[in-house]
Amino acid sequence: ELKVEQNPLFLSMQEGKNYTIYCNYSTTSDRLYWYRQDPGKSLESLFVLLSNGAVKQEGRLMASLDTKARLSTLHITAAVHDLSATYFCAVAGGSNYKLTFGKGTLLTVNP
Amino acid sequence: DVKVTQSSRYLVKRTGEKVFLECVQDMDHENMFWYRQDPGLGLRLIYFSYDVKMKEKGDIPEGYSVSREKKERFSLILESASTNQTSMYLCASSPGGAYTEAFFGQGTRLTVV
Repeated sequence: ELKVEQNPLFLSMQEGKNYTIYCNYSTTSDRLYWYRQDPGKSLESLFVLLSNGAVKQEGRLMASLDTKARLSTLHITAAVHDLSATYFCAVAGGSNYKLTFGKGTLLTVNP
Repeated sequence: DVKVTQSSRYLVKRTGEKVFLECVQDMDHENMFWYRQDPGLGLRLIYFSYDVKMKEKGDIPEGYSVSREKKERFSLILESASTNQTSMYLCASSPGGAYTEAFFGQGTRLTVV
């Protein structure tokens, strides 16, 4: 059974600081996704990582995938308040239809 | 853009009622999913469907059933609603095969009283 672990689950940071969210998964996969969720809203796709070594960047967020280590990271550079949200990673494994989600990281960026 | 539309944003139902949550996608996706989201538990898969009339149980199917009579529509049915089914319900679709990126609807917040 595929397990996906994110850490930290809660992250409070100051504007301007850098931090990394980690996503570990338990079985072989080369498809990993990052989503953002704002309070009361649904999930919005952020990054699609489809191969070992894949790196994607959008604004202050950068995601990478190491399939050998079964690890993805979401790096936040010079955080701003607008990045406050919950971030989920999701991994495709086993039967290809399904994504297994981590529990999410609630990010709060304080002025 | 992919659009996944859920029929209601908010629902309030009574214990014991039969509840239907509807989801429609407009991108001819093969796969459709129902998740529920609860604080501290993340997203948990209830049921998914990989083709019309085909369905498979997810991680927490008890108390739920689904129907997919047409490719674009996937319904979640609570046979007899209970208070522990109060939750946010999220529908998603994905293209199929190796294309597993899921696109989500806006969510239905269901309260069972």
